[in-house]
Amino acid sequence: AQKVTQAQTEISVVEKEDVTLDCVYETRDTTYYLFWYKQPPSGELVFLIRRNSFDEQNEISGRYSWNFQKSTSSFNFTITASQVVDSAVYFCALSSFGNEKLTFGTGTRLTIIP
Amino acid sequence: NAGVTQTPKFQVLKTGQSMTLQCAQDMNHEYMSWYRQDPGMGLRLIHYSVGAGITDQGEVPNGYNVSRSTTEDFPLRLLSAAPSQTSVYFCASSLVQGSQPQHFGDGTRLSIL
Repeated sequence: AQKVTQAQTEISVVEKEDVTLDCVYETRDTTYYLFWYKQPPSGELVFLIRRNSFDEQNEISGRYSWNFQKSTSSFNFTITASQVVDSAVYFCALSSFGNEKLTFGTGTRLTIIP
Repeated sequence: NAGVTQTPKFQVLKTGQSMTLQCAQDMNHEYMSWYRQDPGMGLRLIHYSVGAGITDQGEVPNGYNVSRSTTEDFPLRLLSAAPSQTSVYFCASSLVQGSQPQHFGDGTRLSIL
């Protein structure tokens, strides 16, 4: 069975600080995909990134960066110079190749204090 | 394009009532799914469909029915609402090509009294 663990339930940081959200996953599949979604206070789910298990390159998109390490089964998300608009619940999710079903973590609520 | 549209946005039911949550997408996506979101539990898959006429159960299917008569629509039916079904429900869709990112609707907040 697949499992995604987001051990940080809630994080608060002061604006402009960097923050890392942890994601640890379990799967028996050799080919799989990892995702991050953002859920702002308005409630919708916004796709941030998709990564396949063959690509361990770190990715950077503006202030966002992702660190994928198969050796530790982790897919961590870092926000640099955080802003109030980053306040949201962030979900990490996992799916297998050829199977669209997503297994979500329980989410991390991030609060950026102005 | 409207993307994934869910109706209604809010609903209050009494225990034992039935209702249908509607979900429609205009992106010609083969895959559609329903999740429920409960505090501290993330999103859990209820039912999913990989194409018209094909549906299957997810992690928490009990008390819910689905059908997929067209590519565009994937309604979720509560047969006899129970307080434990109070939740926020999300519909999602995607192409069936190497786990493409799923597009989510805005959610339906359902309260069962």
